[in-house]
Amino acid sequence: DAKTTQPTSMDCAEGRAANLPCNHSTISGNEYVYWYRQIHSQGPQYIIHGLKNNETNEMASLIITEDRKSSTLILPHATLRDTAVYYCIVRYNTDKLIFGTGTRLQVFP
Amino acid sequence: DTAVSQTPKYLVTQMGNDKSIKCEQNLGHDTMYWYKQDSKKFLKIMFSYNNKELIINETVPNRFSPKSPDKAHLNLHINSLELGDSAVYFCASSLRRAGNSNQPQHFGDGTRLSIL
Repeated sequence: DAKTTQPTSMDCAEGRAANLPCNHSTISGNEYVYWYRQIHSQGPQYIIHGLKNNETNEMASLIITEDRKSSTLILPHATLRDTAVYYCIVRYNTDKLIFGTGTRLQVFP
Repeated sequence: DTAVSQTPKYLVTQMGNDKSIKCEQNLGHDTMYWYKQDSKKFLKIMFSYNNKELIINETVPNRFSPKSPDKAHLNLHINSLELGDSAVYFCASSLRRAGNSNQPQHFGDGTRLSIL
């Protein structure tokens, strides 16, 4: 079973920041938080991952709370092409990615 | 220059047939995977190979037989196809560093298998 909880769906206006929350209250000290997304009819796409510190790359930012029990993925300027299902996954040193049901993000014009 | 490529993209066949799906990655990764996404969109790992050695087998029926001829290829052969095998099958790859499995996995675009 997935160790994370995410809202089923969210909406975001194009050009605005999309903030996708994830709860992982049972995360252990060495588990990383990963974010993937799946755009319709495509394979899952890696976005970002982090352990304790906030992370940023060309796609998104990841904010992890100090107690590590939750995190937020931020897409700073959402576009219509960001419409997808976003998966938050916790994982440590295992080849197994356990996908939950994710958050369906709809970006509207 | 697709990183993880699967063939075919679509596969329509009759119950009872045997079919194969091929996967190749050009990322220099040493670990490859097969995932299954069913009609309810649940994505679940089936197999994983590291350096051609099976490391994960998630209680998949033995009608499914993965084969890794080299680190860049992981094929999936399915015997005696059943209606419940209809799904999208995704191949993925990653790189283990110093035995560490925390590197991200990169996915292909899937093979849509439909059993008639």
